[in-house]
Amino acid sequence: SQTIHQWPATLVQPVGSPLSLECTVEGTSNPNLYWYRQAAGRGLQLLFYSVGIGQISSEVPQNLSASRPQDRQFILSSKKLLLSDSGFYLCAWKGQGRNYGYTFGSGTRLTVV
Amino acid sequence: GENVEQHPSTLSVQEGDSAVIKCTYSDSASNYFPWYKQELGKGPQLIIDIRSNVGEKKDQRIAVTLNKTAKHFSLHITETQPEDSAVYFCAASITGNQFYFGTGTSLTVIP
Repeated sequence: SQTIHQWPATLVQPVGSPLSLECTVEGTSNPNLYWYRQAAGRGLQLLFYSVGIGQISSEVPQNLSASRPQDRQFILSSKKLLLSDSGFYLCAWKGQGRNYGYTFGSGTRLTVV
Repeated sequence: GENVEQHPSTLSVQEGDSAVIKCTYSDSASNYFPWYKQELGKGPQLIIDIRSNVGEKKDQRIAVTLNKTAKHFSLHITETQPEDSAVYFCAASITGNQFYFGTGTSLTVIP
């Protein structure tokens, strides 16, 4: 069966520090991968998605970047965190093709202080 | 792009009553509509979905209805239980690669 791993679960970082969040998927190949941010415990904002290695689409221009160095690995990064980067970050995957729902990871609670 | 609106933003029901959450979408090309449940501190989980060639789908106490003409779809939870308390999100997809989410409904089931 497919599983998605996301870490760390919580993170407290000072303003101006770098960020690296990692997400890996097991039990599937060539998944679509997504990074979402959820502010204030509500709406889901799509940040990046990837349909293959090295293929990244950015939905919202901001202080963050994403990379997909391997088929089942998706990394969210920042060189210098801002206070506004605080939030709940979710990684998700879905199978290729139409009409498949996402499977979300357990999320990372990031607090920038 | 697609725009999904979700109502209400908060909903409180007595245990055993029914709960209904409604979503509207803007793009008639949308053809897949999943619903997610998010418990506190966790990632959303898919609970039910419906495709545009179906008008209604049911899974035990949960059902989803779709009206393509009016471009709206609804989640129905019957015989609510305290463990149904969570935030629920609807979503719509055109291509199957990208999902547009509603803003969420916080459901509280009062024992």
